[in-house]
Amino acid sequence: GESVGLHLPTLSVQEGDNSIINCAYSNSASDYFIWYKQESGKGPQFIIDIRSNMDKRQGQRVTVLLNKTVKHLSLQIAATQPGDSAVYFCAENNRYKLSFGAGTTVTVRA
Amino acid sequence: DTAVSQTPKYLVTQMGNDKSIKCEQNLGHDTMYWYKQDSKKFLKIMFSYNNKELIINETVPNRFSPKSPDKAHLNLHINSLELGDSAVYFCASSPTGGYTGNTIYFGEGSWLTVV
Repeated sequence: GESVGLHLPTLSVQEGDNSIINCAYSNSASDYFIWYKQESGKGPQFIIDIRSNMDKRQGQRVTVLLNKTVKHLSLQIAATQPGDSAVYFCAENNRYKLSFGAGTTVTVRA
Repeated sequence: DTAVSQTPKYLVTQMGNDKSIKCEQNLGHDTMYWYKQDSKKFLKIMFSYNNKELIINETVPNRFSPKSPDKAHLNLHINSLELGDSAVYFCASSPTGGYTGNTIYFGEGSWLTVV
């Protein structure tokens, strides 16, 4: 079966530092991955995605890295800001459904 | 304009009642979904419809019945509510459901509490 999980349930980061959120997936056939951010009381919001034919993709202050050899995905947030405090999910898109990991709660310390 | 909107946002109801959550998307997407998020924030798909046709039906009690009157709407009806149904229910949509690179957009959620 397929499962997507995150290594750590919580991450505390000093404002201005870089954050790294990790995710492991088990389905080697997965070919598309997405990172979502969920703020308190809101729905998940798309941050960045990556296809399996890529190793790295950059957005505004965010970078996603994909290591297919060990089935590992990470999200790097540069210069973390208070507004980055949220729950972050990695998700695997497999045809008609998106399978989510358990989420990492990021707390930014002032 | 809200892309994926769902109502009500909050719902408190007694066990045994029947309730519905409505969802509408104005993105012109073909595919719509219902996800359930439990108290530990775990998100799990329940149903998916593509152009009003059911394409995913995960292991969900048959007390839950989705209905899609058109491709812009996907409603969720729940019969005989149980305490364990308390959760946040998210509606979502995507351009289509069948190829890689298909980003899914979520609504703001409906907080259901069964007492």
